Amino acid sequence: ETGVTQTPRHLVMGMTNKKSLKCEQHLGHNAMYWYKQSAKKPLELMFVYSLEERVENNSVPSRFSPECPNSSHLFLHLHTLQPEDSALYLCASSQRRETGELYGYTFGSGTRLTVV
Amino acid sequence: TQLLEQSPQFLSIQEGENLTVYCNSSSVFSSLQWYRQEPGEGPVLLVTVVTGGEVKKLKRLTFQFGDARKDSSLHITAAQPGDTGLYLCAGAPTDNQGGKLIFGQGTELSVKP
Repeated sequence: ETGVTQTPRHLVMGMTNKKSLKCEQHLGHNAMYWYKQSAKKPLELMFVYSLEERVENNSVPSRFSPECPNSSHLFLHLHTLQPEDSALYLCASSQRRETGELYGYTFGSGTRLTVV
Repeated sequence: TQLLEQSPQFLSIQEGENLTVYCNSSSVFSSLQWYRQEPGEGPVLLVTVVTGGEVKKLKRLTFQFGDARKDSSLHITAAQPGDTGLYLCAGAPTDNQGGKLIFGQGTELSVKP
């Protein structure tokens, strides 16, 4: 299997549930990202793991928790979400040089999350 | 905060017409990328431009990076229904910590047969 794989593709969860989104890349990239895509808004960066360094966006609520056990896997743990968190969550990977230059992202197909 | 403004946000045209999508910012970017996204899928990279004034062509698509590296355009010649989708520009900040990209809000293109 090649590219970036996200599971599940669709998820409906209640506000009191705990769930996790999974992302796996088979490209040998050294950086992985979580983005949130809502209607009529630009893609919002949530979290970055790059060159084994975690860079967080401080505006992300603590009900979202990332985990990157190795360079190929990325998780987004969800708990006590709100209806406004319903969106398409996209995972991406890229190859980043130590000088900071990066090549284009390869995105997964996303997880369509609905919070009820 | 660096922003990328795309215009137009929506574009509906007939097959065979030409169109241009613009991506503008007041900030300088070290590189700029264009993606195309179809419903239910993630964005797919079309091109990366790095040098100010650079022009790249991909079949009927022409991409240009502004001389000052603050803006870019995507021109499609003789659009086809298969070109329908959401077009996103994304810039890499010059002080790119963490490898993040700043995305525009997208241009939704519909090409009718």
